[in-house]
Amino acid sequence: QSVLTQPPSVSGAPGQRVTISCTGSSSNIGAGYDVHWYQQLPGTAPKLFIYGNTNRPSGVPDRFSGSKSGTSASLAITGLQAEDEADYYCQSYDSSLTGLYVFGTGTKVTVL
Amino acid sequence: QVQLQESGPGLVKPSETLSLTCTVIGGSISSYYWNWIRQPPGKGLEWIGYIYYSGSTKYNPSLKSRVTISVDTSKNQFSLKVSSVTAADTAVYYCARTGGYNYWQYYFDNWGQGTLVTVSS
Repeated sequence: QSVLTQPPSVSGAPGQRVTISCTGSSSNIGAGYDVHWYQQLPGTAPKLFIYGNTNRPSGVPDRFSGSKSGTSASLAITGLQAEDEADYYCQSYDSSLTGLYVFGTGTKVTVL
Repeated sequence: QVQLQESGPGLVKPSETLSLTCTVIGGSISSYYWNWIRQPPGKGLEWIGYIYYSGSTKYNPSLKSRVTISVDTSKNQFSLKVSSVTAADTAVYYCARTGGYNYWQYYFDNWGQGTLVTVSS
């Protein structure tokens, strides 16, 4: 049911920069609604990593940054570290039907 | 630091009703929206719905006919019921608190650890 599309996987060597895209439509990201990002380590609950497109909650390293343009958003990780290996999900509001909160398809980040 | 804790049966028979409770620990259930979100094994996240402490609700249209979310402020708890379950309802169910000021900005800033519910006879 995901209406936000992410690449299934991205990878990079330690220290490199990787980006994860989140592509939506005119009823969600393109309508101007905020995009948020979550990190999910294996066997654990998702954790909020970026909110309001670009804001980091306390405790999230500044290596993580978010951006949004048009119908897409991106999460960038600079200076990739082994501990960043996880699944990442974007999330937004969708105004179709009666409105609902939607997640991306998820991206597995692998540190080579 | 507010903690959320899900509880309920881990096994439900097909066609029966799934029932889970989320207890809010270390903080008040008042003044926030509270959500249920699920994740089938090996798959992505799906928002089920939310409830305000006053009792107002909003549900995912794809599940609305089978889902009921309720709140008990005296116990600092909110609950989920999903009726007529099938194997497709097998998932880890999370409760989560809403952050943000307006509905189009809402995100989930505090999550329970999740509980696996398996639908099987």
